[in-house]
Amino acid sequence: DGGITQSPKYLFRKEGQNVTLSCEQNLNHDAMYWYRQDPGQGLRLIYYSQIVNDFQKGDIAEGYSVSREKKESFPLTVTSAQKNPTAFYLCASSAGPDSYEQYFGPGTRLTVT
Amino acid sequence: KNEVEQSPQNLTAQEGEFITINCSYSVGISALHWLQQHPGGGIVSLFMLSSGKKKHGRLIATINIQEKHSSLHITASHPRDSAVYICAVARDDKIIFGKGTRLHILP
Repeated sequence: DGGITQSPKYLFRKEGQNVTLSCEQNLNHDAMYWYRQDPGQGLRLIYYSQIVNDFQKGDIAEGYSVSREKKESFPLTVTSAQKNPTAFYLCASSAGPDSYEQYFGPGTRLTVT
Repeated sequence: KNEVEQSPQNLTAQEGEFITINCSYSVGISALHWLQQHPGGGIVSLFMLSSGKKKHGRLIATINIQEKHSSLHITASHPRDSAVYICAVARDDKIIFGKGTRLHILP
C-alpha cells in the first residue's frame, strides 16, 4: 500500500535536546512538506522540498532543520533553538510543485519538558 | 485577518442532520481542499476542487470562485463524522490552511 509514514506517533524529550522526526513516503512523490499544528491554529509550513537535495524554508523555519538526501525521506530535526517545540507535526507529500493535492502522514505529537 | 476563514468554529448536531461548513478566502487560488482530521491527528484529504461541485458518498463540496467561498455539506450525518474539518487553499507553491471546524454529531 502506498502512503506516508511518520514515526514515532508520540515523542517525549527534555528541553535542550535535539530531536529528529521521521517521514517516509512510497508514493514516488517529488515534493514533501513539514507542518506544525498548535491548538486553535491552522497548520503552518515549516520546510518544504520540491526535489531531492533541495529544500526551502516555510513560514516558521526558525529552530528547525531538514534534509532531503533521498526522494522517499524528509526528516525534520527540532533543535534546542526552537522556543516552543511542543506541538503536533504533520508531514505531507505531493506529486510535484504543480500538483496541489497533498497526502498527509499520521503525524507525530512531540512533547518537550 | 486570516487569508482563510472557516465558520462555524464549532458545531454540534444530532445524528441525521444536514451539516454545512463554510470557508471564505481572500486570495487568488489555484485549488481548494477540504480535509478531515480525526482525534489522534491523522488527516485525510476529502476533496480538491477548483470549480463547481464534487460529491463523494454523503459528502458534497462546492466552490464559487467569484465569491471566494466554498461549502462542505454532510447529508444524513452520523457520529463517525465527528472530526475537525479543515479548508485549505493552494496559492503559488504553498497551501494556506484555515483553523478548522470541530464537528460533533450526537447519537
